[in-house]
Amino acid sequence: NAGVTQTPKFQVLKTGQSMTLQCAQDMNHNSMYWYRQDPGMGLRLIYYSASEGTTDKGEVPNGYNVSRLNKREFSLRLESAAPSQTSVYFCASREDSEVRETQYFGPGTRLLVL
Amino acid sequence: DAKTTQPNSMESNEEEPVHLPCNHSTISGTDYIHWYRQLPSQGPEYVIHGLTSNVNNRMASLAIAEDRKSSTLILHRATLRDAAVYYCISDNYGQNFVFGPGTRLSVLP
Repeated sequence: NAGVTQTPKFQVLKTGQSMTLQCAQDMNHNSMYWYRQDPGMGLRLIYYSASEGTTDKGEVPNGYNVSRLNKREFSLRLESAAPSQTSVYFCASREDSEVRETQYFGPGTRLLVL
Repeated sequence: DAKTTQPNSMESNEEEPVHLPCNHSTISGTDYIHWYRQLPSQGPEYVIHGLTSNVNNRMASLAIAEDRKSSTLILHRATLRDAAVYYCISDNYGQNFVFGPGTRLSVLP
């Protein structure tokens, strides 16, 4: 049982390049989340998917798109990367959208945009 | 969303108890209090959560004030592995978590 996995672990992009961050969970969870964490800050929600086939914006969605490919996978795409998107990105999942259910986090993807 | 306030940092000696405070003065009656922690270079991990009564699990205890405007996470015997950033979150039914900057706990050998 791997839990929540993320790829890649680390990525360097040039301004204007695009990339997709991948996330998968093997716990049969309905809800999945993408957060970003800037140095010294807490996590901020980018997008979430309460169930397969649905996605919604979080606190900081600008510059990102998401796809809930199936129940297991939730990807985050940067269409035209900017230096302000340099951050650590965490994916999380939860059994359902009830906030009192435990969220399980992946190890993170460290992204540097030059 | 309900807001929480925590001290920026705290220190503890190894094998001593640690009390991490959190204020959530705007909490409503149905909001749970959650604690997560983030070890260096890792994603956050669940610690404990509760509503009104004090809660215990293998990792920690959660003491909730009678008026629910504050709570305290208790680590009974701190180890070096407990050095992390601890986040206190009060949920708002149906809404998503809001993570503040948390408390950075240092454990001294």
